[in-house]
Amino acid sequence: AQSVSQHNHHVILSEAASLELGCNYSYGGTVNLFWYVQYPGQHLQLLLKYFSGDPLVKGIKGFEAEFIKSKFSFNLRKPSVQWSDTAEYFCAVTPNSGYSTLTFGKGTMLLVSP
Amino acid sequence: DSGVTQTPKHLITATGQRVTLRCSPRSGDLSVYWYQQSLDQGLQFLIQYYNGEERAKGNILERFSAQQFPDLHSELNLSSLELGDSALYFCASSPLQGARTGELFFGEGSRLTVL
Repeated sequence: AQSVSQHNHHVILSEAASLELGCNYSYGGTVNLFWYVQYPGQHLQLLLKYFSGDPLVKGIKGFEAEFIKSKFSFNLRKPSVQWSDTAEYFCAVTPNSGYSTLTFGKGTMLLVSP
Repeated sequence: DSGVTQTPKHLITATGQRVTLRCSPRSGDLSVYWYQQSLDQGLQFLIQYYNGEERAKGNILERFSAQQFPDLHSELNLSSLELGDSALYFCASSPLQGARTGELFFGEGSRLTVL
């Protein structure tokens, strides 16, 4: 079965700082990868996704993620964070075969101070 | 608004009791997924239904059960509740049988507190 590891449980940044959140997955086959975000008091929503092709994917609100197959990684980045990016971020993976379900990491809580 | 509706939003009950959480998926979505979110375990997949049939099972306890009705809404039944069942329970829906080619649309969750 697949698994996802997110390196940091909590990250605190000042506005305009650059962000990188680590995500590694464990699965022997081809995968689809996702980043979800949960703003305070809101539901989880999709930030970006990777299925195939260009390993650098761009999502909403200036976020991007890079899939590095050799490292089983899918790190999330943003060049300059804003206070409104304060949220919990979840990396998720699903095998690209069969009727699979999403497996989530434990999440990273990002706090951006103004 | 994701289009997925969960009720109740908050629920406080005692150990040994039974509760039912309800989920209405987005219009047209045939798959419903249940997840449990707790501080120590993160988001754990419980169970998935597709058009009324169970499709996948995750870390769901035997005390828990779910079903999806002909109108596609789903219910998660939690019985003989224990303190450790306190968590946020999310429902998600998608139009597909599996999650591999699409995203899941999440409800706002039902927060269960067991005292």
